[in-house]
Amino acid sequence: SQTIHQWPATLVQPVGSPLSLECTVEGTSNPNLYWYRQAAGRGLQLLFYSVGIGQISSEVPQNLSASRPQDRQFILSSKKLLLSDSGFYLCAWTRQAREQYFGPGTRLTVT
Amino acid sequence: GDSVTQMEGPVTLSEEAFLTINCTYTATGYPSLFWYVQYPGEGLQLLLKATKADDKGSNKGFEATYRKETTSFHLEKGSVQVSDSAVYFCALRSGSSNTGKLIFGQGTTLQVKP
Repeated sequence: SQTIHQWPATLVQPVGSPLSLECTVEGTSNPNLYWYRQAAGRGLQLLFYSVGIGQISSEVPQNLSASRPQDRQFILSSKKLLLSDSGFYLCAWTRQAREQYFGPGTRLTVT
Repeated sequence: GDSVTQMEGPVTLSEEAFLTINCTYTATGYPSLFWYVQYPGEGLQLLLKATKADDKGSNKGFEATYRKETTSFHLEKGSVQVSDSAVYFCALRSGSSNTGKLIFGQGTTLQVKP
């Protein structure tokens, strides 16, 4: 069966520090991968998606970036965090454009 | 463009009450429709889905019917429990999408009191 992992689970970072969040999927190959952000009490905002290694599409211009160095690995990064980057970050995957499956999320607090 | 609209929350019900959360959509072609549930501090879980008109998705006592004539996919449950307290998201995937991208509604918070 397929499993999706995210780490870390929680993170507290000062403004201006770098960020790296990791997502990995097990039990499937060539998935489509997605990064979402959920601000407190709000809906989901799609940040990036990837249909293959090295292929990244950005949905919202901001100081975040994404990379996909391996087939089942998706990384969300920032060189300098802003207060507004605080939120709950969710990774998701799908295969053959069917329903998406979500990871457990990373709670990021920028102080 | 495609969009999803959910009823405003929070929805507060007593245990064993009937639940309806309204969801309407705007899309060209024949989208697939989904309901996801998010429990506090967790990721989203797929609750049910429907891929064509008049399909009924069901899971854990929840049901939703894909109504193309009214462009709706309302979520219902006959008797809610305290454990159903969560945020519910309606979503669609365009029928022409090859990226699997979903468009989500804003989410509806359900609180069930004993």
